[in-house]
Amino acid sequence: AQSVTQPDIHITVSEGASLELRCNYSYGATPYLFWYVQSPGQGLQLLLKYFSGDTLVQGIKGFEAEFKRSQSSFNLRKPSVHWSDAAEYFCAVGDSWGKLQFGAGTQVVVTP
Amino acid sequence: DVKVTQSSRYLVKRTGEKVFLECVQDMDHENMFWYRQDPGLGLRLIYFSYDVKMKEKGDIPEGYSVSREKKERFSLILESASTNQTSMYLCASSEQGNIQYFGAGTRLSVL
Repeated sequence: AQSVTQPDIHITVSEGASLELRCNYSYGATPYLFWYVQSPGQGLQLLLKYFSGDTLVQGIKGFEAEFKRSQSSFNLRKPSVHWSDAAEYFCAVGDSWGKLQFGAGTQVVVTP
Repeated sequence: DVKVTQSSRYLVKRTGEKVFLECVQDMDHENMFWYRQDPGLGLRLIYFSYDVKMKEKGDIPEGYSVSREKKERFSLILESASTNQTSMYLCASSEQGNIQYFGAGTRLSVL
């Protein structure tokens, strides 16, 4: 069975500082990996995805993530956060049928 | 742009009521999903559907049922609402094996 762990429930970061959100997954085959963001009161928006190929993937809003098979990780990074990046971030692993298993989420707070 | 529309943003119901949550997508997607979202638990899959009139149980189907009579519409039904079903409900749609697109969610309170 697939599973996703996001070790950090809550992260506080200063505006302009770098951000890294951790994600570890468990899946028997080659995973499809996703990062979604949820602003307050909204649905989820896709930031980026990894299906195959280059292990460093670029997404929207200046985010990137790196797939590391040896560590079963898919960490999300942004070099310089903006106040608008305050949101909840979800990592997910998908199977070939399109079912997703989500992590518990990481709440990001951005301070001035 | 893909549009997934959930009929209500906020809903308040009484214990024992039958509740319908409606979801419509406009991209002719094969797959549709219902999740509930609770703090600290992320999103948990309730039911999904790969085609019209087809449904599959997700991780937490107890107390819920679904209906998919038309490709674009996927309904979640709470046969007899209970207070532990107070939650945020999110609908999503996708092509086979591809990205899921989410609606804005319905926040349901059962009193």
